[in-house]
Formats: sequence, structure tokens, C-alpha cells
Amino acid sequence: KAGVTQTPRYLIKTRGQQVTLSCSPISGHRSVSWYQQTPGQGLQFLFEYFSETQRNKGNFPGRFSGRQFSNSRSEMNVSTLELGDSALYLCASSVSGEVTGELFFGEGSRLTVL
Amino acid sequence: GNSVTQMEGPVTLSEEAFLTINCTYTATGYPSLFWYVQYPGEGLQLLLKATKADDKGSNKGFEATYRKETTSFHLEKGSVQVSDSAVYFCALRVFSGGYNKLIFGAGTRLAVHP
Repeated sequence: KAGVTQTPRYLIKTRGQQVTLSCSPISGHRSVSWYQQTPGQGLQFLFEYFSETQRNKGNFPGRFSGRQFSNSRSEMNVSTLELGDSALYLCASSVSGEVTGELFFGEGSRLTVL
Repeated sequence: GNSVTQMEGPVTLSEEAFLTINCTYTATGYPSLFWYVQYPGEGLQLLLKATKADDKGSNKGFEATYRKETTSFHLEKGSVQVSDSAVYFCALRVFSGGYNKLIFGAGTRLAVHP
């Protein structure tokens, strides 16, 4: 069974640009969550999508957005990039996002903002 | 609110030493507890989990017991190997306010030397 696939793995942008990251969950998984990982703030929850609906959102500005498609693939977008957006962005999928369930993580997309 | 506190690293051990990484939590409701591991350059992998009080999660020689009375979920391993060198994250998940999300501790870096 293929794992969670994130693309691109690495990217470099400049301040003010925007970026779109993609996540393909494990087949059959309907819940997709996004996390930002930085050395200073650790792992912070961005949002969760289930059946194309955002049902949970973290404390990030509106520049961070996402969506989920009917095949459960998800994208997140960051507009007007700032230096502080440099981070590893991790996507995780689960069957239905239940409290007891395991999240399966991708290897992440490492974004560097110059 | 819901939060996880784990011991600061780095933890440096010799091969075959005993490992303990402390984790305590604060949660409303009845959380599920998890340990995730992140190897260099990779995403997070679930190491073990426990979904109710007194449950013991175990995997690859690692163990952790869900202690409701002390709100703790300490990670232990009797004999570490060089290959266990990684960052370990304690996390909780609880249904609160109509949502559930995975909340991580800051992570503890483990370095095992031959």
C-alpha cells in the first residue's frame, strides 16, 4: 500500500510569492491534516479536511489556506510568503480522523523563503 | 486547554543503556496518547499508542503506559541501539469543542553512541 505522498519535497521561494503544496493520502483515507514544523515552534496544526470540507483549523493567518478534492487529495496554499514561513510542511492522513486513530505522515515539503 | 510537555533534549546514551523520556499532558475529556518518532530527513512515524487509562502501548522494544492519575505517558526502552537515534514526539488527541486534532510536545532528540 502506497504511503502518503507529498510534492514537491523541496522548494525555494522569495518573499511575497505564493506556494502550493500537494498531498496524496493513503488510498481509502478520507481525512487529511496539515502541520507546520519549525525549530522554534515545533509541530503546529494548520487544518484538517474530511470529505472535501475543512472541519478543523489551527491558529494561522488567512494567508494559509487549503482544500481537498473528491479523491481525497489535498493542497495547501500560502500567499504573500514571509521569511517566517520557512518550515517543513507535513501532511498526514487517516481513515476518518477519529480520536483513537493513527495519523500516517508523509515525508514533508521543505519550504525555504528568501 | 490541551497541551503536552516532554523532557528537553538532547538525550545522549551509550548503546544498550536504558531510556526514559518523560511526557505529561493536560487535557479536557479523555485523550488518546501517542508517541511518534522522526528519523533524520523523514516524516513522523507512529511508534505506539494508548487510548484509555492503564493501557500499555508497545512496539520495537519501546513501551509507554497511560497513567491517568499522574497524567503521564513516559516512553521507555530497556536497551537502546544506535539506530534508535531520532527525535521522539509525545502527542495527544482529544475531542474538544466539536473538533479533534493531534497536539504535539516539543520533541526530544535522542542520540545513541556505540
